[in-house]
Amino acid sequence: SQQGEEDPQALSIQEGENATMNCSYKTSINNLQWYRQNSGRGLVHLILIRSNEREKHSGRLRVTLDTSKKSSSLLITASRAADTASYFCATLNRDDKIIFGKGTRLHILP
Amino acid sequence: DAGVIQSPRHEVTEMGQEVTLRCKPISGHNSLFWYRQTMMRGLELLIYFNNNVPIDDSGMPEDRFSAKMPNASFSTLKIQPSEPRDSAVYFCASSIGGGEGYTFGSGTRLTVV
Repeated sequence: SQQGEEDPQALSIQEGENATMNCSYKTSINNLQWYRQNSGRGLVHLILIRSNEREKHSGRLRVTLDTSKKSSSLLITASRAADTASYFCATLNRDDKIIFGKGTRLHILP
Repeated sequence: DAGVIQSPRHEVTEMGQEVTLRCKPISGHNSLFWYRQTMMRGLELLIYFNNNVPIDDSGMPEDRFSAKMPNASFSTLKIQPSEPRDSAVYFCASSIGGGEGYTFGSGTRLTVV
């Protein structure tokens, strides 16, 4: 069963612009993680934010978490062609299972 | 470290045949997960192991699917008999546990004809 739902399902932006993807979830979580998947490849872990954290940065990535709204956002600043990929949020539930959403397909236009 | 290693990368088999997918997790990782990815259903957790012991297999679709982890460095996912609806990409992932990030393998693309 899906826990996280990413929004939008697909996003196209110009190179250099910022890309924002959102994730909503249903149940209480221990942490929330974001992953990237390039076409035909496995998922790559990008960043993890714990339930007691509100914001986290890693390079050009900024993740926020609002547990009251059960939502998270992933911001990629100054996008590059290499950022073209699918992005998934994943939540660690109280029963220690990580459940993935269906992802946002991000396309960076040259 | 070479990361999580899965084999084969691609598998094409006829309906009714047995299929075995293999995974070597990262050394020192205590948790191992098998996922299946399709366009329709996205990423589904099939089963996960902690310290070689199956913890939750509630995602395994039916009795045709089985998974083993005989030691800390090897796991298999077996489908017997295979059916066309089993066609998907199967990923293995490992983690140090405690809900930390996963490292995924490159996946096995299974096609059952």
